[in-house]
Amino acid sequence: NAGVMQNPRHLVRRRGQEARLRCSPMKGHSHVYWYRQLPEEGLKFMVYLQKENIIDESGMPKERFSAEFPKEGPSILRIQQVVRGDSAAYFCASSALRAENPYNSPLHFGNGTRLTVT
Amino acid sequence: TQLLEQSPQFLSIQEGENLTVYCNSSSVFSSLQWYRQEPGEGPVLLVTVVTGGEVKKLKRLTFQFGDARKDSSLHITAAQPGDTGLYLCAGGGQDTDKLIFGTGTRLQVFP
Repeated sequence: NAGVMQNPRHLVRRRGQEARLRCSPMKGHSHVYWYRQLPEEGLKFMVYLQKENIIDESGMPKERFSAEFPKEGPSILRIQQVVRGDSAAYFCASSALRAENPYNSPLHFGNGTRLTVT
Repeated sequence: TQLLEQSPQFLSIQEGENLTVYCNSSSVFSSLQWYRQEPGEGPVLLVTVVTGGEVKKLKRLTFQFGDARKDSSLHITAAQPGDTGLYLCAGGGQDTDKLIFGTGTRLQVFP
């Protein structure tokens, strides 16, 4: 399967614990995006990364949330000290390099990680 | 803050009917993408439109980008139960430096 791989598919955490969500982009893709989706809603942009660089994190809460995309290995979205309001589906997407504007590139999405905070 | 409003929010129709979903914004976008999402899965790209006034057809689906590149529509002819899903528009470029997703239209087609 050469698609975007996210794991785990489902994650249950108690309030105060840490959640780590992993995303392996499509082969050959160097751009990774994280989005959050609440039930019956659209996707909210969180962060855009390239290898070893955070390009745009304007959608990330300033506290408790962090993201990385290391030279080797998957991209990680980390949520520290989770609260019930963090419960949502978190989607990762990847795209290939586009010369003009990377934000216009078609995104290939994974099947998401559904985080439930109890 | 750039916003993409989709209408209607929910749509339930019988197989064979036609429908149109709208995606509107006050911002100008250099491109508009449409995605479909099924329960438990990630969105899948249907089409990208980049030129004002552009019309693209994908079998029974017709996509249009407004002349001013602020709005788009998706028209489905003779809907089938397999068209059921969440339809999302997404705008990129020009007035925004990120891909902004619309509020979504949830379509249910009954046999």
